[in-house]
Amino acid sequence: GNSVTQMEGPVTLSEEAFLTINCTYTATGYPSLFWYVQYPGEGLQLLLKATKADDKGSNKGFEATYRKETTSFHLEKGSVQVSDSAVYFCALSEDAGGTSYGKLTFGQGTILTVHP
Amino acid sequence: GAVVSQHPSRVICKSGTSVKIECRSLDFQATTMFWYRQFPKQSLMLMATSNEGSKATYEQGVEKDKFLINHASLTLSTLTVTSAHPEDSSFYICSARGSGGSNEQFFGPGTRLTVL
Repeated sequence: GNSVTQMEGPVTLSEEAFLTINCTYTATGYPSLFWYVQYPGEGLQLLLKATKADDKGSNKGFEATYRKETTSFHLEKGSVQVSDSAVYFCALSEDAGGTSYGKLTFGQGTILTVHP
Repeated sequence: GAVVSQHPSRVICKSGTSVKIECRSLDFQATTMFWYRQFPKQSLMLMATSNEGSKATYEQGVEKDKFLINHASLTLSTLTVTSAHPEDSSFYICSARGSGGSNEQFFGPGTRLTVL
């Protein structure tokens, strides 16, 4: 079956530090990959997505590249801000097109705390 | 973006009682809604998928008689936890997918259920 594994947190950084949150996956087909963010007291929001190998998703300074050869989709940001403090979830869906059409399989989530 | 609400945000009940959680799409019609369960420091686990006007499809291991799902309209789905027990205490999250072109899932803020 499908599975997603994220690096364990929590991750604590100082403002303007570089962020990497690792995510690897196993899937039987050709999944679309997603990063969701959950700010305190709010629901999950789609941060970025990639639908095929070598695609790069980007949003709000965050980036992730779909690496089929390493089955990875690591999240990066060059300079984090205090407002980036949240829980980040990596997820996959095997439906084509990256539309979150079908079932999502989530990683366990990584708590990020950014200090001033 | 599209907004999904959940009510209540927190509920505490006695063992043996039933609890109803509502999930509403506020500004779009949701042909499909998903119900997830999240344990502390763990991933979101899909419980069931509900389509408007039809029976919900439950994931393996989820008791359909325990977790009753009703998707009576294009803007409302309800999850009823029947005869709740302390092990049902968890964070329940819904998501809704519209009938428009993107078919992206939009998540509610979650409901914290505590069974005493």
